[in-house]
Amino acid sequence: EAQVTQNPRYLITVTGKKLTVTCSQNMNHEYMSWYRQDPGLGLRQIYYSMNVEVTDKGDVPEGYKVSRKEKRNFPLILESPSPNQTSLYFCASSLDGFRGYAFGSGTRLTVV
Amino acid sequence: GEDVEQSLFLSVREGDSSVINCTYTDSSSTYLYWYKQEPGAGLQLLTYIFSNMDMKQDQRLTVLLNKKDKHLSLRITDTQTGDSAIYFCAEWSGSARQLTFGSGTQLTVLP
Repeated sequence: EAQVTQNPRYLITVTGKKLTVTCSQNMNHEYMSWYRQDPGLGLRQIYYSMNVEVTDKGDVPEGYKVSRKEKRNFPLILESPSPNQTSLYFCASSLDGFRGYAFGSGTRLTVV
Repeated sequence: GEDVEQSLFLSVREGDSSVINCTYTDSSSTYLYWYKQEPGAGLQLLTYIFSNMDMKQDQRLTVLLNKKDKHLSLRITDTQTGDSAIYFCAEWSGSARQLTFGSGTQLTVLP
């Protein structure tokens, strides 16, 4: 089944403890992105990647890192999480960007 | 920067038509999209329209694009309770190679 898989679905952590949210797609998509969703703000792009080893900042990159060592994986790293990073995170992938993205089921992160 | 605006809430009666509206500012937008998000789920692509089109119809869904006014709408005919969800408008900017979302419209279908 073609899909974007994120893990974990839920995560509660403490301020400053490094964490990684994994994302994997099995559709051989070139483009991958991370978004965060907050009430009333819609989805805001954190980072995106157009190919292996090519990543770029989105609208809200501060406090996040990504890597794209393989085509299928695009992990999101929070080196030192803070409470303002409490949010619902989505990974998405697309063959070419403009034909629409497929989304993962989301990761609800709480930083206390 | 680019901006996509939607009203936050819409309520309709079951069986009626729903119209969700969206405005955008980026004149270089090439594709515009409607996504649906059900509770606890990710976003599902409903439909998209290329910027040189005025209308696209797909079963109960009709997308209208007024490029001059930068206005996009999604019409759902015979709205059902299963259509209750958040609907996001989004634009693809070819120059920035980014997808920008609106804040979403919560559609509630009343029996």
